Amino acid sequence: DIQLTQSPSSLSASVGDRVTITCRASQSIGSYLNWYQQKPGKAPKLLIYAASSLQSGVPSRFSGSGSGTDFTLTFSSLQPEDFATYYCQQSYSTPKTFGPGTKVEIK
Amino acid sequence: QVQLQESGPGLVKPSQTLSLTCTVSGGSISSGSYYWSWIRQPAGKGLEWIGRIYTSGSTNYNPSLRSRVTISADTSKNQFSLKLNSMTAADTAVYYCARDRHSVGPTLGGFDYWGQGTLVTVSS
Repeated sequence: DIQLTQSPSSLSASVGDRVTITCRASQSIGSYLNWYQQKPGKAPKLLIYAASSLQSGVPSRFSGSGSGTDFTLTFSSLQPEDFATYYCQQSYSTPKTFGPGTKVEIK
Repeated sequence: QVQLQESGPGLVKPSQTLSLTCTVSGGSISSGSYYWSWIRQPAGKGLEWIGRIYTSGSTNYNPSLRSRVTISADTSKNQFSLKLNSMTAADTAVYYCARDRHSVGPTLGGFDYWGQGTLVTVSS
């Protein structure tokens, strides 16, 4: 199985901050990396697919980059509605796996 | 707009079999561009992919659950289902169904539509 790690596991930030979350894969997965946002009591929402492509309807303040084993999700300017938990997920092979999540909290 | 809705019992006794159904609207599960997956999430924890089914009926399962899982589909009802046997307290979780984009394509995969989730508790 491909293992995904995320850092940090949690962070505190202020509205307007530029924030970066990282995801590392246990082996090269090319660009087969997706990012999700999950708010309490809700299903995850796809934000970024293929490492850097913005899912339809997702604000442009979200961006993704990386390939191979190292990936990042960046918020250019954190907004109040962005406080949530973020997961990376690999679609390179089965079993599909997710990272452990990064919780973004208000400072 | 594609919508998915899970249904099934919220309480299952230990050793029994969980049966959940996902009803899809706004799109056909017979579309060749997608798999249809089940994913679960214990309270306060991360996401675990359980398995998926393709329009052809072929399935893939998480090896950690393979011996206990069966995923099937009823194209006439536009539904797919999950059966998980020998349930224990460790299987208590919110169970989601999701549309799984084919990795062989421009999107390289990803779960783009999800059901709202259904909480399943294993308790006597």
